[in-house]
Amino acid sequence: SQKIEQNSEALNIQEGKTATLTCNYTNYSPAYLQWYRQDPGRGPVFLLLIRENEKEKRKERLKVTFDTTLKQSLFHITASQPADSATYLCALVGSARQLTFGSGTQLTVLP
Amino acid sequence: DAMVIQNPRYQVTQFGKPVTLSCSQTLNHNVMYWYQQKSSQAPKLLFHYYDKDFNNEADTPDNFQSRRPNTSFCFLDIRSPGLGDAAMYLCATSRDPRGEGETQYFGPGTRLLVL
Repeated sequence: SQKIEQNSEALNIQEGKTATLTCNYTNYSPAYLQWYRQDPGRGPVFLLLIRENEKEKRKERLKVTFDTTLKQSLFHITASQPADSATYLCALVGSARQLTFGSGTQLTVLP
Repeated sequence: DAMVIQNPRYQVTQFGKPVTLSCSQTLNHNVMYWYQQKSSQAPKLLFHYYDKDFNNEADTPDNFQSRRPNTSFCFLDIRSPGLGDAAMYLCATSRDPRGEGETQYFGPGTRLLVL
């Protein structure tokens, strides 16, 4: 069956360090992969999209990689700040063009 | 400017008492989605409308229904809420899922409590 796993439920890092979140998937051949941020009690907010033929995508302090051989995406936040604390969800766009979400990684950036 | 609006933000209902959640959008997007999200879990797609075309997910219980009277509004009806239906309900929109990598715009969600 299709499965999306995000590396850990919670990740704590020190302010200024780089946070790296992992999204692994099985039994998918996603055309695209997206990352969303979700704050407590709020809806997800789109951050970045990466296509299957792209290795890396950047946006300000954010970087996403996509390795279709490893079936993995890495999401990096450089120079992390306490305001980056949130849950980050990866989502796969499959053949039906619908998003399937992972359960997220809760990131806490400690001052 | 709010783009996807959900009302109410919190809804309390009684076991078995029908409840309706509403969603409106100012984006003029073709597609509207309803997701259910329980604590620390992934948002789970219940159904979506592509314009007036309704698409139900295979594992969405019959207890959940939806209506989309026009482009801007979409409703989620829970006919007989059970305790297991307590969750955050998220509405989202996108221009066209057939487009390349269409992103979704989410509302703030309605948290449903079933007593």
